[in-house]
Amino acid sequence: DTGVSQNPRHKITKRGQNVTFRCDPISEHNRLYWYRQTLGQGPEFLTYFQNEAQLEKSRLLSDRFSAERPKGSFSTLEIQRTEQGDSAMYLCATGGGREKLFFGSGTQLSVL
Amino acid sequence: GEDVEQSLFLSVREGDSSVINCTYTDSSSTYLYWYKQEPGAGLQLLTYIFSNMDMKQDQRLTVLLNKKDKHLSLRIADTQTGDSAIYFCAGRTGGGNKLTFGTGTQLKVEL
Repeated sequence: DTGVSQNPRHKITKRGQNVTFRCDPISEHNRLYWYRQTLGQGPEFLTYFQNEAQLEKSRLLSDRFSAERPKGSFSTLEIQRTEQGDSAMYLCATGGGREKLFFGSGTQLSVL
Repeated sequence: GEDVEQSLFLSVREGDSSVINCTYTDSSSTYLYWYKQEPGAGLQLLTYIFSNMDMKQDQRLTVLLNKKDKHLSLRIADTQTGDSAIYFCAGRTGGGNKLTFGTGTQLKVEL
């Protein structure tokens, strides 16, 4: 257990529905990242927060995706109008020091 | 941007050493990492190396970095069945601190 908590672990939804995932970081970590991992691939960067400020977004993050980190604590990732191509593992990672990045267990999304 | 490449599969016998290789393209990578992922789980940080180092050893793990060839390797000594997993190499570049991952190497340890 890395101390990074993600909920839910699994989410099954119908195409067109909205979904929201939550990440609770290690408490003293000010950097928070969202990654997406599809089967057989490495994680791909989606977005990055330093405290509550969203500093970088990947072009993978379409307009249907939005992430927030109110008060620099937990973070949420929302996907609106889900599509089958959104099916993936969504991973949250947090870092405090300069070197280490710790990942949560991820939320596996299946869009039917 | 950074590209990171790894071979897809490695099979070794229990007790042998495993060597997993990785190449990267961005010479400005400051830190290079090895993560382990077991089925259905998140990524576990195994070890990392700063770009001004050639080697780092941590118990059964040895990381070698060849900056000239942009080649990184992870050696696991006395490989055990519990080491069976996917191993990801990742590089960190720039001020954004984000990591770019390879596609992963599936390590299978046979009895």
